[in-house]
Amino acid sequence: GDSVTQMEGPVTLSEEAFLTINCTYTATGYPSLFWYVQYPGEGLQLLLKATKADDKGSNKGFEATYRKETTSFHLEKGSVQVSDSAVYFCALSASGGSYIPTFGRGTSLIVHP
Amino acid sequence: GAGVSQTPSNKVTEKGKYVELRCDPISGHTALYWYRQSLGQGPEFLIYFQGTGAADDSGLPNDRFFAVRPEGSVSTLKIQRTERGDSAVYLCASTPGQGYDTQYFGPGTRLTVL
Repeated sequence: GDSVTQMEGPVTLSEEAFLTINCTYTATGYPSLFWYVQYPGEGLQLLLKATKADDKGSNKGFEATYRKETTSFHLEKGSVQVSDSAVYFCALSASGGSYIPTFGRGTSLIVHP
Repeated sequence: GAGVSQTPSNKVTEKGKYVELRCDPISGHTALYWYRQSLGQGPEFLIYFQGTGAADDSGLPNDRFFAVRPEGSVSTLKIQRTERGDSAVYLCASTPGQGYDTQYFGPGTRLTVL
């Protein structure tokens, strides 16, 4: 079945450091890929997505590129802020039908001033 | 407009008891999903409604779990004879309808079974 593997956290960084959170996936066909973010005390919300190979999703300074050849969708940000501290979930969903997503286990990011 | 809401935010119960968890989706969203999130894990799919009917309930772990959505809006997840292993955060999400890939999540209900 479909699966998503994320790097284990927590990832601890100083403000303005570069961020990479690795995500790889296993799926049949051509899934859509997502990063969701969960801020403390809040529900998950979509951060960015990409629906086909070589697409780049971006939002709030975060970027991720859909790499079919390496089955990866790594999340990057050039300069993190304290307010980026949250849990980040990589996910995929098969195109068509119910779009039920498969989530990774999440990576906690802690940014210190 | 209002987002997805879930009540209660926290529920503590004793082993063997019955619990109901409520989800109120975004107004007009016809698709509704329930997930269970254990500590340190990502959300795991339980059941998906399109309108009033359960379109996919393949994620329900056993027959102690049941969900309804009688009027195509609010949904209730029902757990009978709760077990300590049922302790988790139960998440609800909605989308405008079939074919929308972005999900809108509620804040979750934290269930603790003592």
